[in-house]
Amino acid sequence: DGGITQSPKYLFRKEGQNVTLSCEQNLNHDAMYWYRQDPGQGLRLIYYSQIVNDFQKGDIAEGYSVSREKKESFPLTVTSAQKNPTAFYLCASSMRGRTLKQETQYFGPGTRLLVL
Amino acid sequence: AQTVTQSQPEMSVQEAETVTLSCTYDTSESDYYLFWYKQPPSRQMILVIRQEAYKQQNATENRFSVNFQKAAKSFSLKISDSQLGDAAMYFCAYLRSGPGGTSYGKLTFGQGTILTVHP
Repeated sequence: DGGITQSPKYLFRKEGQNVTLSCEQNLNHDAMYWYRQDPGQGLRLIYYSQIVNDFQKGDIAEGYSVSREKKESFPLTVTSAQKNPTAFYLCASSMRGRTLKQETQYFGPGTRLLVL
Repeated sequence: AQTVTQSQPEMSVQEAETVTLSCTYDTSESDYYLFWYKQPPSRQMILVIRQEAYKQQNATENRFSVNFQKAAKSFSLKISDSQLGDAAMYFCAYLRSGPGGTSYGKLTFGQGTILTVHP
């Protein structure tokens, strides 16, 4: 089955600890994205990557880092600098192109991050 | 900066009835894409329907249709013959279109509308 997988489903972080959220897609999509969702709110963009070895900051990149070494993978690290990391994190991907279909973003199931 | 506003925090509908969810957006761009996503209790975001700004014709997907009013910057979602499985939070989202139709990548979301379906 083609799709986007995220792991783990739940993640607990201790104070001062860095944690990494995994996002993998087998849709052959060029672009991948990380969004953060706080309770009762919409999503906000953290980072996105249009091609391998390239990525751009979104609206709330502080305290986060990413890498894009492979087309299929776009891991997100929540660093100790992120003071309020408790949230639901969603990864998305899209083909990228010039049509509505190519620009449509599809989402993974999400990871819930909690601070101990 | 673009903003998306969903003025109805909660809506309810009887099963088999029709409901309309409102969305307005603010942009100075002429080319963009608009989306409605559904987020059920599982919290996965599921695409419901999408529309290109330059197309006058309103998009439809089975029981779901939109009323796109470009001049008014309005993009409402109509759900016909509502089903219990339609209960979810619905998000309206905007994607700016760049040169040649490629986007700048960032989806801007509204705050969401919680839809309850009563049997």
